[in-house]
Amino acid sequence: QQPVQSPQAVILREGEDAVINCSSSKALYSVHWYRQKHGEAPVFLMILLKGGEQKGHEKISASFNEKKQQSSLYLTASQLSYSGTYFCGTEGGNNNDMRFGAGTRLTVKP
Amino acid sequence: DGGITQSPKYLFRKEGQNVTLSCEQNLNHDAMYWYRQDPGQGLRLIYYSQIVNDFQKGDIAEGYSVSREKKESFPLTVTSAQKNPTAFYLCASRLAVSYNEQFFGPGTRLTVL
Repeated sequence: QQPVQSPQAVILREGEDAVINCSSSKALYSVHWYRQKHGEAPVFLMILLKGGEQKGHEKISASFNEKKQQSSLYLTASQLSYSGTYFCGTEGGNNNDMRFGAGTRLTVKP
Repeated sequence: DGGITQSPKYLFRKEGQNVTLSCEQNLNHDAMYWYRQDPGQGLRLIYYSQIVNDFQKGDIAEGYSVSREKKESFPLTVTSAQKNPTAFYLCASRLAVSYNEQFFGPGTRLTVL
């Protein structure tokens, strides 16, 4: 029931772009994206609801393809502060059982 | 300040002992969650609760137990039946509708010796 994330790890230079993908084998109601720094709690980035919605916040945006049960997180012009592990969380219905993927470790180097 | 507190931050126990991890929130959230995180791995759902006196098993509930006697509290007991309990445990909460974000506590790192 856990979503599948890819890639497992990404190494970037400052200013480069990255895409992180999240897919599920079941129909999705919503997709959540979080970022976790080492040893800390995950921090919320954004939520996407079914309907092909796309959201953005400065240089981080995401899309949600309900039909394909997939979501992608786009990081443009990456900054050192973007380093961390990114998790997608998915829900199959309005029953609050949020599941997370295994995470994508993003490292941004100067 | 509103938020989620977990205590203690680090916990050491001997093998075979039960241990209870605390999770308290003052955000007036209905739903609460427990996740386990192993090194380099994702968050796996142990238990979750949508209302007081009700909770559901997640994907790895074996060896764990929970209670939800109060809205603000959702303690997790790691029993001796849990074969590999050493991990980072995260508690989370949110309003009882699916399109709201989850708020996470700072986590408890449990080491069983």
